[in-house]
Amino acid sequence: RKEVEQDPGPFNVPEGATVAFNCTYSNSASQSFFWYRQDCRKEPKLLMSVYSSGNEDGRFTAQLNRASQYISLLIRDSKLSDSATYLCVVGPTREGRRALTFGSGTRLQVQP
Amino acid sequence: DGGITQSPKYLFRKEGQNVTLSCEQNLNHDAMYWYRQDPGQGLRLIYYSQIVNDFQKGDIAEGYSVSREKKESFPLTVTSAQKNPTAFYLCASSRRDRGRYEQYFGPGTRLTVT
Repeated sequence: RKEVEQDPGPFNVPEGATVAFNCTYSNSASQSFFWYRQDCRKEPKLLMSVYSSGNEDGRFTAQLNRASQYISLLIRDSKLSDSATYLCVVGPTREGRRALTFGSGTRLQVQP
Repeated sequence: DGGITQSPKYLFRKEGQNVTLSCEQNLNHDAMYWYRQDPGQGLRLIYYSQIVNDFQKGDIAEGYSVSREKKESFPLTVTSAQKNPTAFYLCASSRRDRGRYEQYFGPGTRLTVT
């Protein structure tokens, strides 16, 4: 089983739509969680951290369910510029390796 | 401007040659990382370093070597022992204090070995 699993997509949605991505992680002791965005042939960029209580940044909402080991990202009012691959990222446990684990990403294509 | 630089952006080498990829950061981050990304795939961790003069193997360290002599620099050498070196190589750095682990990436180096 992969440490971080995501649906690879692609998700093809029209402009203005709401779209949600999910991610599951295998290590229940993981301490930190993030969503990154990666444009084609570019480096990943931090989109937002994910907190236990859920958090919002403009059109983006992230949620964490520790009991189910599940992270989600909701994008409202999709823009053409949101087209990218979204990477679910899980942070280290207290005892384990001090490095992040990246999912393979979910590709989003927003269409006019 | 603070950030992470990687050079060169594109690198071409003949099979059997070692090649060193540069990574420099001026963010005053303690930790630095090297990843490899193949087309349509996720990031795989090669090596990481939490502090100067110390580094650990990641998931795919075979055929690679690193050094961390300065806080700002973490060069990666792709040796001739690496069987499939053609890939997109990404360097990242992060803070270590207060449990902050979010990483910031350089623009990457695309290595092609023929």
